[in-house]
Amino acid sequence: AQRVTQPEKLLSVFKGAPVELKCNYSYSGSPELFWYVQYSRQRLQLLLRHISRESIKGFTADLNKGETSFHLKKPFAQEEDSAMYYCALSTYTGTASKLTFGTGTRLQVTL
Amino acid sequence: EPEVTQTPSHQVTQMGQEVILRCVPISNHLYFYWYRQILGQKVEFLVSFYNNEISEKSEIFDDQFSVERPDGSNFTLKIRSTKLEDSAMYFCASRQRQSQGYTFGSGTRLTVV
Repeated sequence: AQRVTQPEKLLSVFKGAPVELKCNYSYSGSPELFWYVQYSRQRLQLLLRHISRESIKGFTADLNKGETSFHLKKPFAQEEDSAMYYCALSTYTGTASKLTFGTGTRLQVTL
Repeated sequence: EPEVTQTPSHQVTQMGQEVILRCVPISNHLYFYWYRQILGQKVEFLVSFYNNEISEKSEIFDDQFSVERPDGSNFTLKIRSTKLEDSAMYFCASRQRQSQGYTFGSGTRLTVV
């Protein structure tokens, strides 16, 4: 069965410091990974997809199949980055896919 | 940018009552989902819906739950007889194609008292 692990519940960094939010996955098939961000219990917003290889709001994430990881990184944290971040794995069963979420990491950026 | 719309934003209901949560997915999307998030916990998959039928459902999605796409635009989640433990934020999501991202609505906070 598929699984997504985010080992840190809370990550607290100073403004301007680098950020790395860890995500590991377990899936026997070809993984499709996402990062979602949730500000103050609002809607889940798509931040990154590993397929698109974009950089959004300065965040990047690289899929490492050898380590089964998809860590989210940003070189310089901003106050507005404070939010809940969820790593998610899309898997296909039958006629449709679904997302399996990790437990989330709360990023707290302080001055 | 197109959005997934959910109504109501907050619903309070008495235990044992039926509730219907409504969602309007993005118009050209083909895959529809319901997820829930109990306060302080992770987002959990409930059900996926494609081609007018359920594609997959989780063990949470028992006989008390049902989904419907009655008119080609709305996508509803019905809970027949609510329990206290059904209190959660319910998110609707849609996806255009298997290769695209999932777009989530802003959620309905269901409180069962």
